[in-house]
Amino acid sequence: IALTQSPGTLSLSPGERATLFCRASQSVGSGYLAWYQHKPGQSPRLLIFGASNRATGIPDRFSGSVSGTDFTRFTLTISRLEPEDFALYYCQHYGGSPSRFTFGPGTRVDFK
Amino acid sequence: EVQLVESGGGLVQPGGSLRLSCVTSGFTFSRNDMNWVRQAPGKGLEWLSYISSGSETIYYADSVQGRFTISRDNAKNSLYLQMSSLRADDTAMYYCVREVPQADYWGQGTLVTVSS
Repeated sequence: IALTQSPGTLSLSPGERATLFCRASQSVGSGYLAWYQHKPGQSPRLLIFGASNRATGIPDRFSGSVSGTDFTRFTLTISRLEPEDFALYYCQHYGGSPSRFTFGPGTRVDFK
Repeated sequence: EVQLVESGGGLVQPGGSLRLSCVTSGFTFSRNDMNWVRQAPGKGLEWLSYISSGSETIYYADSVQGRFTISRDNAKNSLYLQMSSLRADDTAMYYCVREVPQADYWGQGTLVTVSS
């Protein structure tokens, strides 16, 4: 499964809504799609797993969803951007074989 | 508190070898599958290798197959990556990652630089 993400860069201001897209080349079985936030000098942080489940400690301004019934189109929404949300975001398919994790190329959310 | 702490990175010449370690705590290591993931400078995340909880199943990415070897010692709560025939394009931050099956915990990473 190959993942593409759009847009490549999203330029927004604090308080605005961010919508990030992830498209899979084929159906992601069991909804095994996750989203990560990655900041410079830090390790990636799990935000969403199972396409729509928030990880422990993740604020409810982060939400994940899947469009349609073919499990190929996924969305990460940040309802109101906080200053600490400006970062790189990756979608990931997990549970594959033999490749356990497949990552998208990332979407950068930066200050307008 | 779950912790994964990598070590063993550094500067190595092309063709050289290096062994990365990841010491874990705060969870039952022997019950969890583990992975190594890397990020080269200016690039995205790349999965490298997987090992099941009891070491029965091991997978590698094509980019490291035959050069890297993953292993674990459940008695020491530790994960390893033996890297050989290193190339310049192996320069990256290497992360130890717990799989549950999503990648829920990552170490802070250890930097490997392959250069003459």
